Amino acid sequence: GAVVSQHPSWVICKSGTSVKIECRSLDFQATTMFWYRQFPKQSLMLMATSNEGSKATYEQGVEKDKFLINHASLTLSTLTVTSAHPEDSSFYICSARGTSGRGEQYFGPGTRLTVT
Amino acid sequence: GQNIDQPTEMTATEGAIVQINCTYQTSGFNGLFWYQQHAGEAPTFLSYNVLDGLEEKGRFSSFLSRSKGYSYLLLKELQMKDSASYLCAVRDKLTGGGNKLTFGTGTQLKVEL
Repeated sequence: GAVVSQHPSWVICKSGTSVKIECRSLDFQATTMFWYRQFPKQSLMLMATSNEGSKATYEQGVEKDKFLINHASLTLSTLTVTSAHPEDSSFYICSARGTSGRGEQYFGPGTRLTVT
Repeated sequence: GQNIDQPTEMTATEGAIVQINCTYQTSGFNGLFWYQQHAGEAPTFLSYNVLDGLEEKGRFSSFLSRSKGYSYLLLKELQMKDSASYLCAVRDKLTGGGNKLTFGTGTQLKVEL
């Protein structure tokens, strides 16, 4: 149980284009999902908290107009990187909050984005 | 905010025991998590502590002392596949609706023969 998928697993795009990443909870409903970014040999940095049916909450320093988040259903959240630049190249990981009392997060396999 | 500190790297021998420490500072502590992350992969959940004491789960155990702001992850009978980064994460009831996890920088464990 508690499986989270992410698609695509890797993507290469040109500067100025937009890229959409999907995060799905496969066997449970996730009212809250999280989007992280991880640079090489660094820890996970939370970008935003995505709540089903409402606007995402962005962390300080994260541009909401550049990183568009849509949590349209209890099993799907999407992150769109708009007008991508090479400095946006990173490992993007989503997670979904589990339904147990512990509230642990289950992570998707991640998406490696390379902007050329 | 939260300050989470853990060693950057550790090396241990196959079959041995290793302890990875984590110290934290937070205003509204509401749980501490340990995750394992292999290179290029997403983190996987290992353990959860919210009350003081030791939680044992097979070869892995995790300890928490809330008064000291301290936790450790204990790995026994080390195997080569345990070589990975181990992330300490703290949840604070006062931020992010009580759901947000703040991660440490991770401890890169290398298991040698």
